[in-house]
Amino acid sequence: DQQVKQNSPSLSVQEGRISILNCDYTNSMFDYFLWYKKYPAEGPTFLISISSIKDKNEDGRFTVFLNKSAKHLSLHIVPSQPGDSAVYFCAASAFSSNTGKLIFGQGTTLQVKP
Amino acid sequence: GAGVSQSPSNKVTEKGKDVELRCDPISGHTALYWYRQSLGQGLEFLIYFQGNSAPDKSGLPSDRFSAERTGGSVSTLTIQRTQQEDSAVYLCASSLGGGLNQPQHFGDGTRLSIL
Repeated sequence: DQQVKQNSPSLSVQEGRISILNCDYTNSMFDYFLWYKKYPAEGPTFLISISSIKDKNEDGRFTVFLNKSAKHLSLHIVPSQPGDSAVYFCAASAFSSNTGKLIFGQGTTLQVKP
Repeated sequence: GAGVSQSPSNKVTEKGKDVELRCDPISGHTALYWYRQSLGQGLEFLIYFQGNSAPDKSGLPSDRFSAERTGGSVSTLTIQRTQQEDSAVYLCASSLGGGLNQPQHFGDGTRLSIL
C-alpha cells in the first residue's frame, strides 16, 4: 500500500525553465510534507517543507504547493539549474504517529539540461 | 564533522552472516531514525529513537533486525542471519526533536550487499 506516490520516475527540463515535480498521497492523516534532494552515493538533503495549515511555502527558487482536497503536492523550481539534477523525494508524516517518521515516495529523477 | 556519520559506507557479506551498522547523529539531536532504500524504491522507515522513550520499532521487517541507541547518541542497527533481500542502502537520520516539523538530516548511508 503506497501511501505516498510520485508517478513520474523521471523529468527532463531545459536550464532556466521551470521544473514541476508532483506527489500524491492517500492518507488524510498526513499533515506535514517535505521534499528531499538526493545525489548518487549521498544521503537525502532536506529542501523545503509545508504544514497542512498552509497551501504554499517558498524558499528562494523552490516553492511547494499543497492541495489538501486533492491530496496533492508539487515542488516548483524556478529557474532550473544543471546543479538541480538529482533524485527528488517527497515525504509525509502524521501528527498521530507521534514520532515524525516519514513516509517517502519512490522518487523522481530530474535532469536539467544546459 | 557536523553531519550525520554512518559506518561502514559499504559492506559486502555472505548470506547467513550477522552485520552491524553504525550511526553517529548530529550533536544535540535527540531523535534518531533508521530507514532503508532498496533498489529503485523510496525510503522505508525502520525504527525511531527519542530520548529515553521506548523506540518505535514498527518498521522493522523481521525479528532478525534490531537496533540500539546507547547514551542517547550513537546507534547500531544489527541484522542477524542476513538474507539476499536485505541488500539495500541503510540510511540514518537525526533531528532536533522527535515529532513534527523538525526536518530530518540524513547520513550518506551504508550500502549493504548480501552475496
